[in-house]
Amino acid sequence: GQQLNQSPQSMFIQEGEDVSMNCTSSSIFNTWLWYKQEPGEGPVLLIALYKAGELTSNGRLTAQFGITRKDSFLNISASIPSDVGIYFCAGQGSSNTGKLIFGQGTTLQVKP
Amino acid sequence: DGGITQSPKYLFRKEGQNVTLSCEQNLNHDAMYWYRQDPGQGLRLIYYSQIVNDFQKGDIAEGYSVSREKKESFPLTVTSAQKNPTAFYLCASSISGSGYEQYFGPGTRLTVT
Repeated sequence: GQQLNQSPQSMFIQEGEDVSMNCTSSSIFNTWLWYKQEPGEGPVLLIALYKAGELTSNGRLTAQFGITRKDSFLNISASIPSDVGIYFCAGQGSSNTGKLIFGQGTTLQVKP
Repeated sequence: DGGITQSPKYLFRKEGQNVTLSCEQNLNHDAMYWYRQDPGQGLRLIYYSQIVNDFQKGDIAEGYSVSREKKESFPLTVTSAQKNPTAFYLCASSISGSGYEQYFGPGTRLTVT
């Protein structure tokens, strides 16, 4: 079945640094979504991407839908302590079910 | 405020008992989903429903059952047949079943001893 490979698995950075993470798929996706999850809470949608090559920002966050439709990238600029959490990518293929495939998550820790 | 509610936040049960987790949404979304999350892992789809009175199995449906009698509600029953029921359970909804973002509830942590 479809799989997503998300990397890195974890990151420990200094406050103020920029962060990059990415997801790659074995097959083409029509939709890429990026979520953030804090401990004990449900994931919160950060950015949704619908077109190959699309670049979308949400504050300090920027995500891109890869031109091959098999990958996506999330960048966080000037990280702050409240950026701490687990970031998940999710992709949706061409099926008409709305089923999402999730990456394993990137755990981000920010040192003040 | 529109959103998805899951109750309770924490649930404890003895092995061998069935337990039902609640999920309600007032977003007027057609599609609803149940996921399971284990520590350090991503989300795995249990069941989903694109419309009232219809639902389909996800990737790990064994030991679970659902119903969709109302648009707003999609309860999940964890049966005694589920071998490892202790997990964090997340409910989500989307406008429609295809091409739309999914929005998640706060989750229910189930512990079975």
